[in-house]
Amino acid sequence: DAMVIQNPRYQVTQFGKPVTLSCSQTLNHNVMYWYQQKSSQAPKLLFHYYDKDFNNEADTPDNFQSRRPNTSFCFLDIRSPGLGDAAMYLCATSSLDEGQGYEQYFGPGTRLTVT
Amino acid sequence: RKEVEQDPGPFNVPEGATVAFNCTYSNSASQSFFWYRQDCRKEPKLLMSVYSSGNEDGRFTAQLNRASQYISLLIRDSKLSDSATYLCVVNRAVVMRFGAGTRLTVKP
Repeated sequence: DAMVIQNPRYQVTQFGKPVTLSCSQTLNHNVMYWYQQKSSQAPKLLFHYYDKDFNNEADTPDNFQSRRPNTSFCFLDIRSPGLGDAAMYLCATSSLDEGQGYEQYFGPGTRLTVT
Repeated sequence: RKEVEQDPGPFNVPEGATVAFNCTYSNSASQSFFWYRQDCRKEPKLLMSVYSSGNEDGRFTAQLNRASQYISLLIRDSKLSDSATYLCVVNRAVVMRFGAGTRLTVKP
């Protein structure tokens, strides 16, 4: 059974048109992450939520925002997508509860195309 | 300098070969270490955690040297299905840092 679910798997948007990507998890993990991955590059952390606490990476553009309305769901909003934002967007979860590993579990990703 | 650096690859090896990947990390406060595997156009998946004592899982052996800030992955008796990108991952508190990955292709 899928534990980290991302929708949609493929998203096409127009230059400048806002787009929202969604992620849900059934693991009840307290941390959720959003990564951007471009071809042949490492996943780049955009931000993460530790419970309700939002943590932005210093180099994440203001164009990228996130919401976490509850433990299970997290959204990535791209306010004005540019051609350079075309990438795979990966959602991941992790539990920092004592006794559990720190490994992250990834969703299948959403591949974003900007036209 | 990148926080996690890996052999750039690509590695092209015949079936049955032994191949080793290396990784170095710059932050001595790093706490946990992992190797992830990523297939083309798929998400990363945990291959194995890496411990100071070294750990083995079948054909895969991982080593960590904290003093040298160095991590390695050894794959013995390579299979065609081992073809993938291998990502070295270093954890510090909540955040993981990924290496750029090393591409492995195993050929018949």
